[in-house]
Amino acid sequence: GNSVTQMEGPVTLSEEAFLTINCTYTATGYPSLFWYVQYPGEGLQLLLKATKADDKGSNKGFEATYRKETTSFHLEKGSVQVSDSAVYFCALSPGANSKLTFGKGITLSVRP
Amino acid sequence: GAVVSQHPSWVICKSGTSVKIECRSLDFQATTMFWYRQFPKQSLMLMATSNEGSKATYEQGVEKDKFLINHASLTLSTLTVTSAHPEDSSFYICSAKENGPANTGELFFGEGSRLTVL
Repeated sequence: GNSVTQMEGPVTLSEEAFLTINCTYTATGYPSLFWYVQYPGEGLQLLLKATKADDKGSNKGFEATYRKETTSFHLEKGSVQVSDSAVYFCALSPGANSKLTFGKGITLSVRP
Repeated sequence: GAVVSQHPSWVICKSGTSVKIECRSLDFQATTMFWYRQFPKQSLMLMATSNEGSKATYEQGVEKDKFLINHASLTLSTLTVTSAHPEDSSFYICSAKENGPANTGELFFGEGSRLTVL
């Protein structure tokens, strides 16, 4: 079946530090891959996505590249801010009409 | 962008009462909506898939008589927690996929509804 594995958290960084959050997946075919962010007390928001191999999704300084060969979709940001503190979820969808499978999520805390 | 709205955003009720949560797609039509439950500091657990005009599909372990789902139109799905108990207290989140060729599998999420059962 489909699955998404995220690195264990939580992660605590100082402001302006480099961020990497690992995500690997298992799926048949060519799924679409997503990163969602959940700020405290809010619902999920789409951060970025990639729909085919080698695509790079980017938004708000975050980037993730769809790597078919390593089945990965790691999230990176060159310089984090306190406002980036949130829970980050990696997810996949096998097709347009398929259910979304989420990873467990990881909490990022950025201190001033 | 596509917007999904939930109401109420938070609700407190007494044990034994029923609570209805609405999920609306404001600027698009959604044949399919999803209901998730999120426990503190945990991931989202898919409860059921809501299908417009037909019965919802429940995930294993989710009581369909406890969590009633109705998807009466292409823009509205409702989740009713019947005879609520304190263990039903949770954050309930809905999401929807946009119909048509623009659908890439992306889900649009509501703001969530926090239920507290006393």
